[in-house]
Amino acid sequence: AQTVTQSQPEMSVQEAETVTLSCTYDTSESDYYLFWYKQPPSRQMILVIRQEAYKQQNATENRFSVNFQKAAKSFSLKISDSQLGDAAMYFCAYRIPLLDSNYQLIWGAGTKLIIKP
Amino acid sequence: KAGVTQTPRYLIKTRGQQVTLSCSPISGHRSVSWYQQTPGQGLQFLFEYFSETQRNKGNFPGRFSGRQFSNSRSEMNVSTLELGDSALYLCASSLGAVGVYNEQFFGPGTRLTVL
Repeated sequence: AQTVTQSQPEMSVQEAETVTLSCTYDTSESDYYLFWYKQPPSRQMILVIRQEAYKQQNATENRFSVNFQKAAKSFSLKISDSQLGDAAMYFCAYRIPLLDSNYQLIWGAGTKLIIKP
Repeated sequence: KAGVTQTPRYLIKTRGQQVTLSCSPISGHRSVSWYQQTPGQGLQFLFEYFSETQRNKGNFPGRFSGRQFSNSRSEMNVSTLELGDSALYLCASSLGAVGVYNEQFFGPGTRLTVL
C-alpha cells in the first residue's frame, strides 16, 4: 500500500531558528512527485514546495528547502529563520499514478508546528 | 481573482440525515477534488471531478457522492450521516486534472458535525 508517514505529530521551534519536519513514504514507483503543504489556523491549505523524484537537486523556495533522499524514501522539510507566520499544520503528500493518466495524492497525518516568540 | 469558496462553512446535522456541501472553484479551473480531513488522519481523498465527469474516486462508501456542473461548481452529498462523518471537508480546484503541473488550490473547508 502507498503510505506517507509523518512521525512528528508536533514540533516547536524558537523564532528565527531552523526546524526540520520529517516525512517518509513507501512506493514501488521510480518516477513520482512529493509535496509539502501548509495549513495555517485559518484552514486554507497552500502548497509550500514540490519535488520531482527524477531530480537529484533538492527543491528550494526562499526559506523552505527539502532534503530528498530517494533511496531512503525520505522527504524532510527544512524551515530556516522561522517566523511566527510559519505556525501551521504541515502535510507531506505523495502523488501516485493511477490508470488512464490519472493521479491521486496520498497524504501524511500532518505535523503541527509551533513557533515560540 | 477570487479563491476557492465553500459553503456552508459550518454545519451541524444529526445521524441519519443527509447533507450537501458546495464548492466554487477558481474561475477557469475545471478540476475539483474533495477531501475529508480528520485529526490524526490527514486528508483522505474522496473524489475528483473534471469537466463534469468523475475521474477518480477514493475508498469511501457509496453514501458519499458528488457531481460537477457545467460552470465547474461542485457539490458533495453524504446520505445517512454517521457520527464518524464528522470532519472538515476540503475542496480543491486546479486548472487541469490533478497532476504536478496543475497545482491544487484549496478552499477554507466546511466543518461538519454529526450529533
